[in-house]
Amino acid sequence: DVKVTQSSRYLVKRTGEKVFLECVQDMDHENMFWYRQDPGLGLRLIYFSYDVKMKEKGDIPEGYSVSREKKERFSLILESASTNQTSMYLCASHLGGHTSGLHQPQHFGDGTRLSIL
Amino acid sequence: GDSVTQMEGPVTLSEEAFLTINCTYTATGYPSLFWYVQYPGEGLQLLLKATKADDKGSNKGFEATYRKETTSFHLEKGSVQVSDSAVYFCALPNAGNNRKLIWGLGTSLAVNP
Repeated sequence: DVKVTQSSRYLVKRTGEKVFLECVQDMDHENMFWYRQDPGLGLRLIYFSYDVKMKEKGDIPEGYSVSREKKERFSLILESASTNQTSMYLCASHLGGHTSGLHQPQHFGDGTRLSIL
Repeated sequence: GDSVTQMEGPVTLSEEAFLTINCTYTATGYPSLFWYVQYPGEGLQLLLKATKADDKGSNKGFEATYRKETTSFHLEKGSVQVSDSAVYFCALPNAGNNRKLIWGLGTSLAVNP
């Protein structure tokens, strides 16, 4: 089974801090994703990566950056945390591939509930 | 563009009731369709999928049939349990960039004993 591990389940930080959320997958997946989940808004894609050092903006990238130095690890960075970034953050990985990857699911970690005070 | 529309929740049922959660989509071509489930305090996990028209996906007593003619992928279960209380998401690959998924907003289900 694919295992996606997020470094923290709960995190409390202060406004203006630089915050790092870490995600590791153990199945050699090409694609990795960061989402945030807010009540009534569903899942919104922040960034995703389709290879080491490759990234693409999602729907709401403002205020965030990402890093993928190794295939198994994908980090989300809040450059200067603000209260409106209080949310549940979900990491996911996906096998990739143009054809076969279409039918493969994304695999999720358990999420990090981040509070910015 | 491609999109997914789910019925709004919350849905509240008694144990052993019949469940339907509606999902309709607009899509370019015939993508795979997915249902994910998120149990309280957890991330999402794949519940079932269908890869082509008329396919039926099934898992844990849940079923959904890929209906091309009605562009629907409704989730059904004949007899829900308290342990089915969760949020359910319908999704399909983004035709413009199939690495990404297009998500419904999720439907919260609460099952009472």
